Amino acid sequence: EAGVVQSPRYKIIEKKQPVAFWCNPISGHNTLYWYRQNLGQGPELLIRYENEEAVDDSQLPKDRFSAERLKGVDSTLKIQPAELGDSAVYLCASSLDFSASSYNEQFFGPGTRLTVL
Amino acid sequence: GESVGLHLPTLSVQEGDNSIINCAYSNSASDYFIWYKQESGKGPQFIIDIRSNMDKRQGQRVTVLLNKTVKHLSLQIAATQPGDSAVYFCAEPRILSYNTDKLIFGTGTRLQVFP
Repeated sequence: EAGVVQSPRYKIIEKKQPVAFWCNPISGHNTLYWYRQNLGQGPELLIRYENEEAVDDSQLPKDRFSAERLKGVDSTLKIQPAELGDSAVYLCASSLDFSASSYNEQFFGPGTRLTVL
Repeated sequence: GESVGLHLPTLSVQEGDNSIINCAYSNSASDYFIWYKQESGKGPQFIIDIRSNMDKRQGQRVTVLLNKTVKHLSLQIAATQPGDSAVYFCAEPRILSYNTDKLIFGTGTRLQVFP
């Protein structure tokens, strides 16, 4: 079974430039997450999708970050314009469904390492 | 705020020895914990979980211990191998509302295995 696919794996850009990351979740997984992982830290949630609906984007810096999951399958996370502090690994994860009564395991992709110069 | 975190940033062990990675949490109501392993260049990978109605759970070469009295959990790896070298995170899923959850990660412990 294919895991969560992310591209690109690495991206180096200059500050103020735009950048986009792509994620294809595990087939059949309705819930998709984007995380940011700063160096030496654990991942922090940016946004969660249930199918095509963003149901939790409270941690997404909306002035420069945007995300979409138009058909409820793959997703794109964009930063425009990028700042030096955006350098991090951006992880995508997916799970079967969200349930308030039980936890469904999240499967993580390899991440995209962004360097902003 | 309430947190989940780890004690040591780095742990070095000799191949074949047992490893113990520790994690502390602050929320007395926390009832479920997960240990993740993150190898270089990869995303976190689920290792083992434990619910608060248990104080011990065993997997293949791994054991998680939960001490609710002192709000501490540990991951024990038996006969540590070079392939165990990674960063280990304890994490706590928190259901915030009927449609909102959050997976809270600690800061991680880097396990280095030397021959």
